[in-house]
Amino acid sequence: DAGVTQSPTHLIKTRGQQVTLRCSPISGHKSVSWYQQVLGQGPQFIFQYYEKEERGRGNFPDRFSARQFPNYSSELNVNALLLGDSALYLCASRGVGGYTFGSGTRLTVV
Amino acid sequence: KNEVEQSPQNLTAQEGEFITINCSYSVGISALHWLQQHPGGGIVSLFMLSSGKKKHGRLIATINIQEKHSSLHITASHPRDSAVYICAVRTGNQFYFGTGTSLTVIP
Repeated sequence: DAGVTQSPTHLIKTRGQQVTLRCSPISGHKSVSWYQQVLGQGPQFIFQYYEKEERGRGNFPDRFSARQFPNYSSELNVNALLLGDSALYLCASRGVGGYTFGSGTRLTVV
Repeated sequence: KNEVEQSPQNLTAQEGEFITINCSYSVGISALHWLQQHPGGGIVSLFMLSSGKKKHGRLIATINIQEKHSSLHITASHPRDSAVYICAVRTGNQFYFGTGTSLTVIP
């Protein structure tokens, strides 16, 4: 069974642009959560979705949005990118067996 | 103040040494997770604890709910254990993460 899959693995964007990151959870996992990890720091919670509904939101501006699809995959969107949005974005899915993290998408904003 | 504090921030050990990483937290939790992150970013979940002690191979994790403290021990450390170890606590639907302990094991 495949683990949590995130795409793309690396991405370079220019300030002001918009970006969409994707996450496919483990088959059977209905909950997906997103985290931002700035270099040298621990991950920070952004969103959690369960059964296509937002169940939690961290302290991030409205430029950050997400959604979950009927197949439980998820997208994280960031608008009007800032240099400070450069980070590793991690997705985790949750099922009966616990949490599994993806390898992340490294976003660089120049 | 961070909800989760880890110590030490950096740790260098000789191969074979016994290693301890500590985690203290200040919020009520439903579970505590120890995670391993290798260069490149991918995170692997090592343990999920809500009480007591768990062991997996050379890794041992303990938690004291009353003292809001957990430890991760690595016995007979090996260079392949070199990674960042992150303590994360879960409250409801949200995780709080420590800043990680960067471990380097020298052959």
